[in-house]
Amino acid sequence: DVKVTQSSRYLVKRTGEKVFLECVQDMDHENMFWYRQDPGLGLRLIYFSYDVKMKEKGDIPEGYSVSREKKERFSLILESASTNQTSMYLCASSKTGKYYEQYFGPGTRLTVT
Amino acid sequence: GENVEQHPSTLSVQEGDSAVIKCTYSDSASNYFPWYKQELGKGPQLIIDIRSNVGEKKDQRIAVTLNKTAKHFSLHITETQPEDSAVYFCAASRDFSSGSARQLTFGSGTQLTVLP
Repeated sequence: DVKVTQSSRYLVKRTGEKVFLECVQDMDHENMFWYRQDPGLGLRLIYFSYDVKMKEKGDIPEGYSVSREKKERFSLILESASTNQTSMYLCASSKTGKYYEQYFGPGTRLTVT
Repeated sequence: GENVEQHPSTLSVQEGDSAVIKCTYSDSASNYFPWYKQELGKGPQLIIDIRSNVGEKKDQRIAVTLNKTAKHFSLHITETQPEDSAVYFCAASRDFSSGSARQLTFGSGTQLTVLP
């Protein structure tokens, strides 16, 4: 059974803290994605990766960075968290050749105070 | 870049009635249009998709239609049931046939509530 897991369901951090969100998939997918979900704005792509150590910016990369050292793991990093980064963060993965069929994790609700 | 608009933002229907969600896109090169369903506490899940060489696609109670000339596509759910209650997202993309990763641009979502 296809599975994407995210390290935390809920996270509360203070302004200025460095935040790591972890995502792991067990489907041997080449592509991995990080989105943020905000009411009325849908899902917006932050970064994606199509191979180990490869990354590309999405639509809203400012304030974020990513790391992909292993095929199954894709990390999202907030170098210095700010209150406007309070959001739901969703990780997804897909197979090369079927990039459009994305499998999502349950999400991490991040609150920055 | 691509821009996808989705309407309505909320939709309530009586159980057994039909529901229709509409999306428009801006990039005429987009050729792939998936729909995702997000249940409470879960990530979105692909439920149906359509490609630009097809005008309509059905899968049991759900169907999707595409009008490339007008650049809009719609999700139709017939005989709605309480378990259809969820947030639905449309999306658009181009070059789906390529082997490398490509972006999906999502709409803003529709909260569908099916009233018993």
